Amino acid sequence: DSGVTQTPKHLITATGQRVTLRCSPRSGDLSVYWYQQSLDQGLQFLIQYYNGEERAKGNILERFSAQQFPDLHSELNLSSLELGDSALYFCASSVDPAHDSEQFFGPGTRLTVL
Amino acid sequence: DAKTTQPTSMDCAEGRAANLPCNHSTISGNEYVYWYRQIHSQGPQYIIHGLKNNETNEMASLIITEDRKSSTLILPHATLRDTAVYYCIVKGNQFYFGTGTSLTVIP
Repeated sequence: DSGVTQTPKHLITATGQRVTLRCSPRSGDLSVYWYQQSLDQGLQFLIQYYNGEERAKGNILERFSAQQFPDLHSELNLSSLELGDSALYFCASSVDPAHDSEQFFGPGTRLTVL
Repeated sequence: DAKTTQPTSMDCAEGRAANLPCNHSTISGNEYVYWYRQIHSQGPQYIIHGLKNNETNEMASLIITEDRKSSTLILPHATLRDTAVYYCIVKGNQFYFGTGTSLTVIP
C-alpha cells in the first residue's frame, strides 16, 4: 500500500459524458501527479500540482482539467468523453518535485467509455 | 528529457539474479535514474533510484556506469512475484515512462 488513494476504482460511462476522478496523496506529500495508461500508449504524464498550484503539464487534452484543493487532494475532470479516453488513470504523490524525490502511485481508476 | 532504451522482454529462473539493463546515453549531469515496476494493471511501484553511485536497498541494487550512460537493475534472488514490467526512467522535469522490460520469472 503506497498510501495514495484513488476513487472510484472503476467507472463506466457513455461518450459525451463528464466524470471526476479523485486522488488523496500520502500524508505530508505536497505534489500530485496524474497519468493516463492506455493499451497503445503506455503511461503518459498528464499534469502536476504542487501545494495547490499547477506546476507542469504533459500530454493533457483540453477536454481534461485538474485541480488541487487546500487539503491537498486532487481531482481530474474529464469531459466530452470519447471511446479513446478509456484507460487507467493513475495519481501519484511526492514530498516535492525535486529531482531526487520518488513518486508513489495509487491503485488507479479504470475508466471505460461506451 | 533523456530517453531510455530497454529490452522488450527477459526471462529469469526463480532464485537466480535478474539483471535488467538500461541505456540512457543522453542523460544530463543532474538527472537521476529511477526504476519502477508495474505488476499487471496495478500502480507502478518504486524500486530504487540513483545519481552516480551504486545504490542498494531491500528490493534491489542499482549499478550505474561511470559515464552514466547506462545502468543495471539487479534483483538478487528473483521470485515469481517479481514477474512484472520494469521501467527505467531518467528524471528530468518529469517522469517519462517508456515501454519497459517485461520480466518473467520462471519456476
